[in-house]
Amino acid sequence: QLQLQESGPGLVKPSETLSLTCTVSGGSISSSSYYWGWIRQSPGKGLEWIATIYYGGTTYYNPSLKSRVTISVDTSENQFSLRLRSLTAADTAVYYCARHLLPYYYFDYWGQGTLVTVSS
Amino acid sequence: EIVLTQSPGTLSLSPGERATLSCRASQSVYSSYLAWYQQKPGQAPRVLIYAASSRATGIPDRFSGSGSGPDFTLTISRLEPEDFAVYYCQQYGSALWTFGQGTKVEIK
Repeated sequence: QLQLQESGPGLVKPSETLSLTCTVSGGSISSSSYYWGWIRQSPGKGLEWIATIYYGGTTYYNPSLKSRVTISVDTSENQFSLRLRSLTAADTAVYYCARHLLPYYYFDYWGQGTLVTVSS
Repeated sequence: EIVLTQSPGTLSLSPGERATLSCRASQSVYSSYLAWYQQKPGQAPRVLIYAASSRATGIPDRFSGSGSGPDFTLTISRLEPEDFAVYYCQQYGSALWTFGQGTKVEIK
């Protein structure tokens, strides 16, 4: 059974950089059948796609966040990661990692999510 | 960027009733790239429908999806107590993924 697990700090200061990692178990990240992505959800709000990566390194970004975001993959560790720079309170959210199933591109497996609070 | 608008914002229904949720795109969406998710409080979303009308693994047949182009519908034929939740549509197009703002199905 595939599992995705987010890890990272729960509290980050404004203007700092958030680093999150998603560890994939029960399956290989190095498959041509999947993409891997990050989605966030601000408290009481809807879902916002952040970024997506293919194991070969191709990346896709939400235009509204592109200038502050970097997504990367480490196939040796079966992990992918997110870096979000210049944080503000508006970045406070639950951050989910998820798998996209090709060729339909929907999110078929999700991590449980990790709450990140931006506050001094 | 394609914007998805879901309606209504909240649907108040009783168990056993039929729920019809709408998702309208700002431009045409390829049906293969339209999905629906259910989210309960404190949980990650769960995919219900992909490719507009295909049920994901393990999803009961009371959930069905339909539509094409800019207009898509999620129907729950008879609401069970566990179906009261928030539902999101999502599309992929031009290397971008977007979600609708959600429809909350609440107990009347």
